Amino acid sequence: DTGVSQDPRHKITKRGQNVTFRCDPISEHNRLYWYRQTLGQGPEFLTYFQNEAQLEKSRLLSDRFSAERPKGSFSTLEIQRTEQGDSAMYLCASSLGAGIHEQYFGPGTRLTVT
Amino acid sequence: GEDVEQSLFLSVREGDSSVINCTYTDSSSTYLYWYKQEPGAGLQLLTYIFSNMDMKQDQRLTVLLNKKDKHLSLRIADTQTGDSAIYFCAVGQSGGSYIPTFGRGTSLIVHP
Repeated sequence: DTGVSQDPRHKITKRGQNVTFRCDPISEHNRLYWYRQTLGQGPEFLTYFQNEAQLEKSRLLSDRFSAERPKGSFSTLEIQRTEQGDSAMYLCASSLGAGIHEQYFGPGTRLTVT
Repeated sequence: GEDVEQSLFLSVREGDSSVINCTYTDSSSTYLYWYKQEPGAGLQLLTYIFSNMDMKQDQRLTVLLNKKDKHLSLRIADTQTGDSAIYFCAVGQSGGSYIPTFGRGTSLIVHP
């Protein structure tokens, strides 16, 4: 078990471009979470999946953000028409689900919008 | 919603004990976590405590919970330079999504 992985680790993009991040959870973990972390803050919840179903979305997740987990394994987070305010670390976490609450985090994708 | 507060910085000498404090507002919080984040890395779950417990010890880590005051602390015994990191307190409720609310983190600096 290699833990939660995220790709890319770093992304620099120009304002207005679209970006997509990928998260591979720990195998057999049913739940997958996306968080955003800005400098000097703790992670803020964006959305989570139970298998392939997206069950909850934060009000932080504007219409420019979309997340998918098509086969209940890896997940993608897309940001369209990026803005400078989107610059942050995007963290993915997974958990077994079914009453097992511990979340295991990936290393994150650091997005810089210029 | 839930609010989680932590002091931002703590500086200790190597070999001393470190105590990182956290307060929260939602008395229905069920799970209380401590995470560690090293520079440029994701969060590592260190330990957690259920709200029906007062204390949990795990090697050099001791978690104390004062449910009446909604106060959580993490004590690290014999602090080492490798313990230098940001420590996040997070609280969550049972049932459903288990989505925790995180504090802003306490930056622990360990000096020789």
